[in-house]
Amino acid sequence: GAGVSQTPSNKVTEKGKYVELRCDPISGHTALYWYRQSLGQGPEFLIYFQGTGAADDSGLPNDRFFAVRPEGSVSTLKIQRTERGDSAVYLCASSLRDRLLGDEQFFGPGTRLTVL
Amino acid sequence: DQQVKQNSPSLSVQEGRISILNCDYTNSMFDYFLWYKKYPAEGPTFLISISSIKDKNEDGRFTVFLNKSAKHLSLHIVPSQPGDSAVYFCAATRLVGSQGNLIFGKGTKLSVKP
Repeated sequence: GAGVSQTPSNKVTEKGKYVELRCDPISGHTALYWYRQSLGQGPEFLIYFQGTGAADDSGLPNDRFFAVRPEGSVSTLKIQRTERGDSAVYLCASSLRDRLLGDEQFFGPGTRLTVL
Repeated sequence: DQQVKQNSPSLSVQEGRISILNCDYTNSMFDYFLWYKKYPAEGPTFLISISSIKDKNEDGRFTVFLNKSAKHLSLHIVPSQPGDSAVYFCAATRLVGSQGNLIFGKGTKLSVKP
């Protein structure tokens, strides 16, 4: 498909474990964003990549959270020592980030993380 | 402190009538606004956007109005259809001099009754 894909769709883990969430953006989109959505809230920004580099990681809640995008395409969000409060839907979005061609962000279906 | 507010958690409308969803923002530096629609267990789907240099943008049944002096925008859906039933999120960002990350409201759940 041509859209943003995320795997896994659901992840259940135990408190203290390590998890990795994967995002495959739309081909050709240089900008990639991670958001987190808790119940009853709108998505909240976590981190933004332009190409391979994290241009803005100001939304990461603490140093247990880390993300990479080594080849400028697929990105992985990594959470160490998970806590119950990390339970949420993690959304990935990609964009052309081009004033002429479009600034809209296109979202994947999300990964629902549950920490027991 | 919420920078983007959607004060109505829910809205119910009869099929064929107009749906009006409202959004307020506090940050005058925002220069680009978007509406997303979200169905359960799916990611948000982009609907329509508007730049701060405009006051109206129309796409089929969807029209977004921006009132910069009031820091208010609204999404009009005419005519409403049962398939429009979803949660609608308003989002704002600053494209110039910023990374473009979106600030979302909490959403409004629209129910369109046949």
